[in-house]
Amino acid sequence: KAGVTQTPRYLIKTRGQQVTLSCSPISGHRSVSWYQQTPGQGLQFLFEYFSETQRNKGNFPGRFSGRQFSNSRSEMNVSTLELGDSALYLCASSLSGRADETQYFGPGTRLLVL
Amino acid sequence: GESVGLHLPTLSVQEGDNSIINCAYSNSASDYFIWYKQESGKGPQFIIDIRSNMDKRQGQRVTVLLNKTVKHLSLQIAATQPGDSAVYFCAENIRRGSQGNLIFGKGTKLSVKP
Repeated sequence: KAGVTQTPRYLIKTRGQQVTLSCSPISGHRSVSWYQQTPGQGLQFLFEYFSETQRNKGNFPGRFSGRQFSNSRSEMNVSTLELGDSALYLCASSLSGRADETQYFGPGTRLLVL
Repeated sequence: GESVGLHLPTLSVQEGDNSIINCAYSNSASDYFIWYKQESGKGPQFIIDIRSNMDKRQGQRVTVLLNKTVKHLSLQIAATQPGDSAVYFCAENIRRGSQGNLIFGKGTKLSVKP
């Protein structure tokens, strides 16, 4: 099976712009979670989607949003970018998002905000 | 620029030695734990998991120990190889209803000297 894929792998944006990142889960996985990784805060949970619905959300401002399509592919959007949004954005998929399921990660999208 | 990073604990071992990486978790109600390995430029890679009804689980060259009394996890790597050099994260899956999201530890950087 192919693993989790994320596009693009690298992005450079300027403050105030918006960005959309894409994630394709492992075939058959219906839950997609997004995480932000920074040197200062480590890995932090953003949100989780299942069947096109956001079920869980971390402690991030409303500028961070996402959606999931009927084929389980997911996108996350960050509006009005700030310098502090520079990070590695990771997507993880699992079968159904249950608390006892393993989440498998993609390679991430590295976002640099100038 | 980037904010000051987390000072990752570093473990340096000689090739062929055994490595032990420790982690404290936060939520006594967590019942599923995962160790991930993250190499430079890549997403976290699943290594091994353990459920709270167990105190030990073995994989290929790796063993995870769980001590629920003190909320402590450890990862033991036998006969450490240069390819094991990476940052290792423990994660607890925080249960929200039947779903969960991962809370990650700060990570430990393992360096293997040939």
